Amino acid sequence: SQTIHQWPATLVQPVGSPLSLECTVEGTSNPNLYWYRQAAGRGLQLLFYSVGIGQISSEVPQNLSASRPQDRQFILSSKKLLLSDSGFYLCAWRGGAANEKLFFGSGTQLSVL
Amino acid sequence: AQSVTQLGSHVSVSEGALVLLRCNYSSSVPPYLFWYVQYPNQGLQLLLKYTTGATLVKGINGFEAEFKKSETSFHLTKPSAHMSDAAEYFCAVSENSGGYQKVTFGIGTKLQVIP
Repeated sequence: SQTIHQWPATLVQPVGSPLSLECTVEGTSNPNLYWYRQAAGRGLQLLFYSVGIGQISSEVPQNLSASRPQDRQFILSSKKLLLSDSGFYLCAWRGGAANEKLFFGSGTQLSVL
Repeated sequence: AQSVTQLGSHVSVSEGALVLLRCNYSSSVPPYLFWYVQYPNQGLQLLLKYTTGATLVKGINGFEAEFKKSETSFHLTKPSAHMSDAAEYFCAVSENSGGYQKVTFGIGTKLQVIP
């Protein structure tokens, strides 16, 4: 069966520090991968999605970047965090068809102080 | 471009009362529609989805939703609320057009169940 791992669960970082959140998927190949950010009252904002290794699409201009160095690994990064980067970050995957559901990781609560 | 509108960021119902969470969408192609539920400090999990065929879709925990193309709606209902239904609910639309794999979510509706 497929599983998705996301870590860390919580993270407190000072402004200006770097960020690396990792997400890995097991039990499937060539998944579509997604990073969402959830902020209070704003729902889920799609940050990045990837349909294959090295293929990253960004939805909004921002202080973050994403990479997919391996088929089932998706990394969210920042060189210098801003206060506004605080939020709940969710990684998700699904198969290649639009009618398939998303499988979500358990999320990372990021607090930038 | 696709979009999702959820009316009411907070909904309160009494235990045993009808639950109705509203969702309207816009999409340039026939949409695939989803409802997800999120419990505190967790990821989202699928409640139900509409792809093709029957417009009334039944999901887990007694929830169902009806796809109404003429109204561009996909409202979520449950006849009798239970305390365990208290959570945040997200409507989502998915398109697969020209390799575009975007899934767009509404802002979410927090459901409070009053004993």
